[in-house]
Amino acid sequence: DTAVSQTPKYLVTQMGNDKSIKCEQNLGHDTMYWYKQDSKKFLKIMFSYNNKELIINETVPNRFSPKSPDKAHLNLHINSLELGDSAVYFCASSQLGAREQYFGPGTRLTVT
Amino acid sequence: GENVEQHPSTLSVQEGDSAVIKCTYSDSASNYFPWYKQELGKRPQLIIDIRSNVGEKKDQRIAVTLNKTAKHFSLHITETQPEDSAVYFCAASESGANNLFFGTGTRLTVIP
Repeated sequence: DTAVSQTPKYLVTQMGNDKSIKCEQNLGHDTMYWYKQDSKKFLKIMFSYNNKELIINETVPNRFSPKSPDKAHLNLHINSLELGDSAVYFCASSQLGAREQYFGPGTRLTVT
Repeated sequence: GENVEQHPSTLSVQEGDSAVIKCTYSDSASNYFPWYKQELGKRPQLIIDIRSNVGEKKDQRIAVTLNKTAKHFSLHITETQPEDSAVYFCAASESGANNLFFGTGTRLTVIP
């Protein structure tokens, strides 16, 4: 069974569009995250979220917003897409206090 | 915020030899240090981690050492095999916060 899943796997879109990436985990974890991996393979935290607190990396533009309909889902919405947003976006989850994070398969976003 | 540096960026070894990857961190409050392996086109996967109350941890052919005073930690892979070829990331996380701050990655190539 897939522990952390993301859809879509690939997303190609034009500049200026708004898009969403979905993430679901079936591990019963209470904390979820979004990471961005750029073309040089650098992995950077964008957000972490549990049912009490959203922590935003200060470098993330406010065009990016996480939305959590429930504890098992953390979706990423991106407005007014720019060329520099092209990257692989990974969702992850963990149990608060347990520290180990489990990553989803990634979504490759290409903005043209 | 935390700053994690990782060296080398690329590493080639002959099959059977050992590989060592080193990381330093800046925030003395960090107390959790995982290592992730990312194969081409795949998600990062946790291979080993260490907490700040431990100086060394081993799991079969992999080991991690931590020097809190010097703020550095290292990954050691012995008897390398071609399937060890991947990008390896170190990371650091602060007490009370689960956000992982990643190093820049090391591309390990094991030559058969």
